[in-house]
Amino acid sequence: QQQVKQSPQSLIVQKGGISIINCAYENTAFDYFPWYQQFPGKGPALLIAIRPDVSEKKEGRFTISFNKSAKQFSLHIMDSQPGDSATYFCAARGLFSGAGSYQLTFGKGTKLSVIP
Amino acid sequence: DAGVIQSPRHEVTEMGQEVTLRCKPISGHDYLFWYRQTMMRGLELLIYFNNNVPIDDSGMPEDRFSAKMPNASFSTLKIQPSEPRDSAVYFCASGQTNTEAFFGQGTRLTVV
Repeated sequence: QQQVKQSPQSLIVQKGGISIINCAYENTAFDYFPWYQQFPGKGPALLIAIRPDVSEKKEGRFTISFNKSAKQFSLHIMDSQPGDSATYFCAARGLFSGAGSYQLTFGKGTKLSVIP
Repeated sequence: DAGVIQSPRHEVTEMGQEVTLRCKPISGHDYLFWYRQTMMRGLELLIYFNNNVPIDDSGMPEDRFSAKMPNASFSTLKIQPSEPRDSAVYFCASGQTNTEAFFGQGTRLTVV
């Protein structure tokens, strides 16, 4: 019930193209949906995040689309560049019952390769 | 702030040995998380603390794993005895209520 399902597992996009990564969740108690970017040998770093009261958030070339009724959200990378090649994780966070309770659940990740 | 600091960055140990991973969270953060990352299972939450108190350790795979947070600026993850299947990258992250988690660089553990 607290899973986040992410697809595709890997993605190859040509430079200048659009990269799209999708995630779905079940638990409606999730209230914050961040995307993390991870380069080899590094820890995941926050890329962009959205709350369920908005349907879209854009930061530069990165856009999150959020569909609350379908319990789905996606990351779009416009004008993809070779430097965007990394692993992307969607996540969902909820403050569940219990003092101090805080759940940040990650998808399995998508390895993006942007080819010149 | 230097971010979340983990040590060591790499650890190679023999099966059966005790391994201790260390983490210094970002000052002022009241949540601390330990994650394990493998190709097969992705990022798994092992345990997290709030105000130095363990809140959920349901992700700890076995009794061989233990974690402590003696104060707000330090936490350890210990594996005793270690096994080859424990080989993974272990991440520490910290955060506050209503903020995202900030990750350290990770410790790559290899058990031979």
